[in-house]
Amino acid sequence: EVQLVESGGGLVQPGGSLRLSCAASGFTFSSYWMSWVRQAPGKGLEWVANIKQDGSEKYYVDSVKGRFTISRDNAKNSLYLQMNSLRAEDTAVYYCAREVLYSRGNWGQGTLVTVSS
Amino acid sequence: QSALTQPRSVSGSPGQSVTISCTGTSSDVGGYNYVSWYQQHPGKAPKLMIYDVSKRPSGVPDRFSGSKSGNTASLTISGLQAEDEADYYCCSYAGSYRYVFGTGTKVTVL
Repeated sequence: EVQLVESGGGLVQPGGSLRLSCAASGFTFSSYWMSWVRQAPGKGLEWVANIKQDGSEKYYVDSVKGRFTISRDNAKNSLYLQMNSLRAEDTAVYYCAREVLYSRGNWGQGTLVTVSS
Repeated sequence: QSALTQPRSVSGSPGQSVTISCTGTSSDVGGYNYVSWYQQHPGKAPKLMIYDVSKRPSGVPDRFSGSKSGNTASLTISGLQAEDEADYYCCSYAGSYRYVFGTGTKVTVL
């Protein structure tokens, strides 16, 4: 069974940093693109970033370029999102997802990031 | 990278059919056959319901179907059931390995 478990969320001040992690199991992690998708409270879904199987290609939504960095460790079956220069508008539940055929086939339960002073 | 446009809400009685539209541009929905649909119940993670415009993952009831015409994709739920009440989001490939989601639609079963 595919399992994705996010961690690392919490309360952070504007301008601060946070690193999210996603532990994957139940599939060959190194064979799949992986994504981060976020959802602000009461709002819709927003694709944030994705990363190729070997980590050689990474893509971001314009609003986080230069501030967020997606990475992965295939030896640890883990996906990461380093978030710097956080803003109030980055407040959201962050989901990690396995990409399957240009879609997000499996999702974690999400981790809440709150940016507030 | 503007969000795809969906109606805010649709509703139907049990057994009826409802259709949710998802309108984009020739740079996303109209340019690729990579539209997916997700169901999200309150407080839960999204679930993939349709991929590649009209394909259903294993385990998704055949009451759910997808289609596309031009820059607009659609999700139809036939034989509406109480458990179908949820939020639904479309998502399209937008080129250069980037994706854009729709604004979301709340489906209410009357």
